[in-house]
Amino acid sequence: GAVVSQHPSWVICKSGTSVKIECRSLDFQATTMFWYRQFPKQSLMLMATSNEGSKATYEQGVEKDKFLINHASLTLSTLTVTSAHPEDSSFYICSARGDKNYNEQFFGPGTRLTVL
Amino acid sequence: GENVEQHPSTLSVQEGDSAVIKCTYSDSASNYFPWYKQELGKRPQLIIDIRSNVGEKKDQRIAVTLNKTAKHFSLHITETQPEDSAVYFCAASISTGFQKLVFGTGTRLLVSP
Repeated sequence: GAVVSQHPSWVICKSGTSVKIECRSLDFQATTMFWYRQFPKQSLMLMATSNEGSKATYEQGVEKDKFLINHASLTLSTLTVTSAHPEDSSFYICSARGDKNYNEQFFGPGTRLTVL
Repeated sequence: GENVEQHPSTLSVQEGDSAVIKCTYSDSASNYFPWYKQELGKRPQLIIDIRSNVGEKKDQRIAVTLNKTAKHFSLHITETQPEDSAVYFCAASISTGFQKLVFGTGTRLLVSP
């Protein structure tokens, strides 16, 4: 149980284009989803927290107009990187949390984004 | 803001030895402390967690201890095996409405046969 998927697993795009990443909770309802970014050999940095049906809460320094988050249902959240640039190249990981264990987060497999 | 420090950044041990990774957190209201193992290019995997009402928890070769007064918590791996080689992250919950996690900087553990 508590499986989280992400799609795509990797994506290569040209500078200036937009990329959408999907995060799905497959066997539970995720009231809260989190989006992290991880640069090579670094830790996970929280970008934003999203709750179903409400606007995402962004961490300090994360541009909300550049990283659009939509949590339209209890099983799906999307992250859109708009006007991507090479410095946006990173490993993006989502996590989801249900109601049974308020603390535990279940992580998706991650999406490696490369912007040329 | 909230901060989690993790040491050491790298740790090399011989197979069969014990490994200890230590973390310090700043938010005195933190009440949940998970440890994750991450292999290259993979998702973080929860290996053990502890809540603030418990001082120690053990699961086979893995144990975690928590000192709330000092705001320290540690991961102990005994009888290490080469497959334990990975990056380990500690994390601490933040006392906000969303119960976010703040991650430590990571420890690269290398277990040599």
